[in-house]
Amino acid sequence: AQKVTQAQTEISVVEKEDVTLDCVYETRDTTYYLFWYKQPPSGELVFLIRRNSFDEQNEISGRYSWNFQKSTSSFNFTITASQVVDSAVYFCALSDTGTASKLTFGTGTRLQVTL
Amino acid sequence: DAGVIQSPRHEVTEMGQEVTLRCKPISGHDYLFWYRQTMMRGLELLIYFNNNVPIDDSGMPEDRFSAKMPNASFSTLKIQPSEPRDSAVYFCASSFWGPSNIQYFGAGTRLSVL
Repeated sequence: AQKVTQAQTEISVVEKEDVTLDCVYETRDTTYYLFWYKQPPSGELVFLIRRNSFDEQNEISGRYSWNFQKSTSSFNFTITASQVVDSAVYFCALSDTGTASKLTFGTGTRLQVTL
Repeated sequence: DAGVIQSPRHEVTEMGQEVTLRCKPISGHDYLFWYRQTMMRGLELLIYFNNNVPIDDSGMPEDRFSAKMPNASFSTLKIQPSEPRDSAVYFCASSFWGPSNIQYFGAGTRLSVL
C-alpha cells in the first residue's frame, strides 16, 4: 500500500529564513510520481511540482527547491529566504502504476512565516 | 483556459436537508475526483470517474452520499440527508489519465451543516 508521511505538523519561521518541509513515502512500485501542492489561507489547492521515480535530479524554481532521494524514500521541499506569502499548508502526494491516477496525500505541513 | 469550477463556494444548510455540490472539470480531462477535507481526517478521496464512469467509490462514507457524472463537463456530489458531521470542504479535481498526470483542483465548496 502507498503511504506518505509528513512528520512536521507545523513550522514557524521568521521572514528570510530558509525552511525545509519533509516528505517520506512508501510504495512497492518502481515507477511512481511525487507531487507537492500548496494550500494558502484562501483554501484552494495549487500544484507546485511533479517528479518521477527515474529522475533524481534536484529541481530549483526561484526560491523553491526539491530534493528527491530514492535511497531514503524522501522528497523534501526547501523554501529559501521565506516570505510571508509562503504561509500555507503544503501537501506531499504520491501516485504509482498500481493506483493509476489516484493520489495518496500526506497530512500536510502548516508553514507560518512571520515578519 | 478555465480551471476546475465548483459551485457553490459556500453552503450552509440544516441537518436533514439535501445538499448538491457541482463541478465542471477542465475540458479534455478524462478523470474527475471528489475529495473531502476535514481537520480530523485530512484530504480523503471519496470517488473518482473515468470517462464519466465511476471507477472507485470506496471512499464514499455512507449511502447518504452519491455522485454522478452525466457528461464530460459536469459532475455532482449529493448528500441526502445531510448531517453536522458532513461539514467539511469538498474539492473536485480533474486530470488526464495516468499516474504521471497532474490533478488540478477547484476552489472547493465549504459546507456547513447546522
